[in-house]
Order: sequence, then C-alpha cells, then structure tokens
Amino acid sequence: GESVGLHLPTLSVQEGDNSIINCAYSNSASDYFIWYKQESGKGPQFIIDIRSNMDKRQGQRVTVLLNKTVKHLSLQIAATQPGDSAVYFCAETNQGGKLIFGQGTELSVKP
Amino acid sequence: GAGVSQSPRYKVAKRGQDVALRCDPISGHVSLFWYQQALGQGPEFLTYFQNEAQLDKSGLPSDRFFAERPEGSVSTLKIQRTQQEDSAVYLCASSIDGNTEAFFGQGTRLTVV
Repeated sequence: GESVGLHLPTLSVQEGDNSIINCAYSNSASDYFIWYKQESGKGPQFIIDIRSNMDKRQGQRVTVLLNKTVKHLSLQIAATQPGDSAVYFCAETNQGGKLIFGQGTELSVKP
Repeated sequence: GAGVSQSPRYKVAKRGQDVALRCDPISGHVSLFWYQQALGQGPEFLTYFQNEAQLDKSGLPSDRFFAERPEGSVSTLKIQRTQQEDSAVYLCASSIDGNTEAFFGQGTRLTVV
C-alpha cells in the first residue's frame, strides 16, 4: 500500500549547523509533497512544498529536494536555530488533497 | 478568522460517551480535512470534504465516527460511544482547493477515560 517513511526518527544538531531530514515514499504516482513542522501542542505548520515536475525548491533557510528515481525527499535547514527544534513530517498526495504523512523526525538543536 | 480554529482544545470523555469536535476553516477554503494523530505518530487521514460534499471517508476507523459540513463551512466530527483507543489529537485542515497547501488547526486533544 501507500506509505511515507522517514529514515531517522531523531536528529540532534549544533546551533548554526545545517540539518538534513530525509523521507522515502513508495507511491510513484504522488505528485505533490509537503514538509510540515510540528511543535509540541500545536498543529502541523507548513514549511515548504514541491511538485513532482521539480527537483529542488528553496525557501528562506530551507530547501526541499525531490529525487523521483529513488522516491526520496529531503529537507535542508541552513544555519539551524533553537527555534527550529520540533518534529518534522513529510507528506505526499496524489489524489488532490488527501495527505499521507510519515512518522516524523524529531529535530533537537543544541545551543 | 486568520487561521483554522478548532474547539474544544481539550476534551475528556468517559468511555461510552458521545463527543462532538468542531472545526472552523479559513474563510473561503473549499477543502476541509480531518486527521487523527496518536502520540508520537504522524497524522492519519480520516475524511475529506469539498464544500459540503464528503468526497472521501475511507479513513474513518468505524461507524462510530461521523463527520459533516452541512453548509460547506464549519465541520463537526462526532464520535459515538467513545472507546479508550479513540484517545488522540484530532486535527482539522483546510485548503483553497485540494491541490494546494493545507493549513492545520491546533487540534483537539481527546482523552477517553
């Protein structure tokens, strides 16, 4: 069946370093991918998205890379800050809206 | 409002009690989603509305779960005869259409005792 999974459940980085969070997906028909950040007690917050006709998309301090050949998605956070500490989820959709989430990676930023 | 609003934020129910969770989506958003999030897990899809039409309810875990959006705006998720396994955070999200980013509310944390 469809699934989205993350390679690493936890990631600890030093403040100022770059962070890379990885995600694998299994449905090659998925055409839209989103990264969400979720802080404790809050709902998921949109970070960045990418459509399947792109390989890379950049935002402010964040970059998403999509490798359709190996069905892999990554989120890169530049100059990680303590405020970036949260759980990060990748999500995919191929049905115009029904998002399928991975389990999440907890990012911990050490000052 | 500026974002998706959910109420109540917290709900404690006795096993067997019925509960109703409310979602106010962003004004003008056509699509509305409900998700269930267990502790330490990613959100799991429950159901999806486009305006007042419930297009997908494949994620509802049992016939005790019912969702409605009668006027294409506010939505209610109802759980009948709650069980302990229903304890989770219930998230609502809305988007302009089904093909753009979905904005989530803060969720309702349901605890069944």
